[in-house]
Amino acid sequence: DGGITQSPKYLFRKEGQNVTLSCEQNLNHDAMYWYRQDPGQGLRLIYYSQIVNDFQKGDIAEGYSVSREKKESFPLTVTSAQKNPTAFYLCASSLQGLGTEAFFGQGTRLTVV
Amino acid sequence: SQELEQSPQSLIVQEGKNLTINCTSSKTLYGLYWYKQKYGEGLIFLMMLQKGGEEKSHEKITAKLDEKKQQSSLHITASQPSHAGIYLCGADPTQGAQKLVFGQGTRLTINP
Repeated sequence: DGGITQSPKYLFRKEGQNVTLSCEQNLNHDAMYWYRQDPGQGLRLIYYSQIVNDFQKGDIAEGYSVSREKKESFPLTVTSAQKNPTAFYLCASSLQGLGTEAFFGQGTRLTVV
Repeated sequence: SQELEQSPQSLIVQEGKNLTINCTSSKTLYGLYWYKQKYGEGLIFLMMLQKGGEEKSHEKITAKLDEKKQQSSLHITASQPSHAGIYLCGADPTQGAQKLVFGQGTRLTINP
């Protein structure tokens, strides 16, 4: 079964620690995305990648870092520089080109205490 | 950057009633996507619109994109409890940019 998998579903970290969220897809998609969702708000783009070894900042990249060493994987690191890291994080992937839908993972809820 | 404004932000309707959710862009839309989200879960793709005046339907949900490609509406006919959730519109801000941005979402509650 093809799909996009985020892990873990729930994550707790102490303030000041870096934490890495996993996102894996076996859809052979070129593009991958990371979004953040806060209560009552829509999705805000953190980073996106159109091809392996290349990625671009989204609207709220500060305090986050990503890598795209493999086509299937796009991990997101929430660093200690991120002032309000507690949020719901969603990863998505899509084929390249205009008019292709994005497939989403089930999300990771990160709580920093 | 492109902004997508959804209205209303929250909607409560009685089961069986029709409803409409709107999504308005500050710029021309090159691809408009509608997604549904259950609380705490990922997004489920509903429909994609690209051409001005385009309309698509799936079961009891119809989405339209206006001729100027700056506004889209999502209409649900004879709402059911299964329609409850958060509806989000997303769009490509620049043709071919492959960068999806989203509105703030509309939370739909269906009362029995």
